[in-house]
Amino acid sequence: ELKVEQNPLFLSMQEGKNYTIYCNYSTTSDRLYWYRQDPGKSLESLFVLLSNGAVKQEGRLMASLDTKARLSTLHITAAVHDLSATYFCAVDLTNKLVFGAGTILRVKS
Amino acid sequence: GAVVSQHPSWVICKSGTSVKIECRSLDFQATTMFWYRQFPKQSLMLMATSNEGSKATYEQGVEKDKFLINHASLTLSTLTVTSAHPEDSSFYICSEKGFRLAGGPGGEQFFGPGTRLTVL
Repeated sequence: ELKVEQNPLFLSMQEGKNYTIYCNYSTTSDRLYWYRQDPGKSLESLFVLLSNGAVKQEGRLMASLDTKARLSTLHITAAVHDLSATYFCAVDLTNKLVFGAGTILRVKS
Repeated sequence: GAVVSQHPSWVICKSGTSVKIECRSLDFQATTMFWYRQFPKQSLMLMATSNEGSKATYEQGVEKDKFLINHASLTLSTLTVTSAHPEDSSFYICSEKGFRLAGGPGGEQFFGPGTRLTVL
């Protein structure tokens, strides 16, 4: 059974600081997704990582994938308040996604 | 990304009644649809997977007679919660996987906006 572990589960950040969210998974997969969820809303797709060594950046967020280590990271650069949300990684297992528990990110002024 | 709609966006019902949630793809041929459930402050849990014209495949622990899924066409899937109880109160999200009508690569899942169900 595939297990997807995210950490930390809760992250309180100061504006302007950098931090990284980690996503470890237990079974081989070549496709991993990062999503953002705002309170009361559905998921917003952030990144699709399709191969080992993939790195994608959008604004202050950068995601990477190491399939050999079964690890993906979501790096936040110079956090701003608008980034406050819950972030999920999800691993593609054949025909379904298995989600991590989510990381609640709060950016404080 | 593809446009997926859900209806209703929220519903309140009495215990014992049945509720139907619709999931439509507006610019996408959804060969596979997924239904997820999300309890407050928790992650998404897959309930079932359905392919167009076939019976749904349910995840372990999900009662197929309670959560009826119909995927009759490439653009519509429905989830019916039968004899709903307060413990069924949750945020239900559908997602679709398939191919854009305008062409292009497929394989990614696109999520609907969700339906919040409250059972009194």
